[in-house]
Amino acid sequence: EIVMTQSPATLSVSPGERATLSCRASQSVSSNLAWYQQKPGQAPRLLIYGASTRATGIPARFSGSGSGTEFTLTISSLQSEDFAVYYCQQYNNWPLTFGPGTKVDIK
Amino acid sequence: EVQLVQSGAEVKKPGESLKISCKGSGYSFTSYWIGWVRQMPGKGLEWMGIIYPGDSDTRYSPSFQGQVTISADKSISTAYLQWSSLKASDTAMYYCARGPVGIAAAGPSDYWGQGTLVTVSS
Repeated sequence: EIVMTQSPATLSVSPGERATLSCRASQSVSSNLAWYQQKPGQAPRLLIYGASTRATGIPARFSGSGSGTEFTLTISSLQSEDFAVYYCQQYNNWPLTFGPGTKVDIK
Repeated sequence: EVQLVQSGAEVKKPGESLKISCKGSGYSFTSYWIGWVRQMPGKGLEWMGIIYPGDSDTRYSPSFQGQVTISADKSISTAYLQWSSLKASDTAMYYCARGPVGIAAAGPSDYWGQGTLVTVSS
């Protein structure tokens, strides 16, 4: 099973600032990596798939990069609605696995 | 509009059985995989398994193999997650999520149900 790790566990950011979240896979997942956003009391929402492709309706301030084992989600200018938990997920190998999440909160 | 609508919250006792549902609409239900994800209270997401309603091909994460059963009734565009004997540790929110189209079971989940909260307590 591929183990996904995320850092940091919590990221404190001021509105308007840039946020950079990291995700690492225990072995290569090629570009088969997705990012999800989850707000309290809500279901997860797909942000990025294929490591760098924004899902339908996702604002351009969200961008993804990386391949192999190292990935990054960048939020260029945090808006109030972006404070949430972010999960990465690999779908290169079965079973699909999620990272533990990064909580982005208000500084 | 693609929608996945899950059944309502459940409160059960240890040892009881349970089947929760996820009804898809707005797309070809038999063409996309449907997966189930567990989220224990205050914790992260765990992928449980996935089913292709077109032919009922089902895959389980090793952690959940033998613990739950995933099924689907394509005639009513509904997927199910069931337990034969619940434990307190099954207390969690359970989400269904639409997976990829076609042959490959592994892919991102672009639409999610609203979640079903299952509480198991004596």
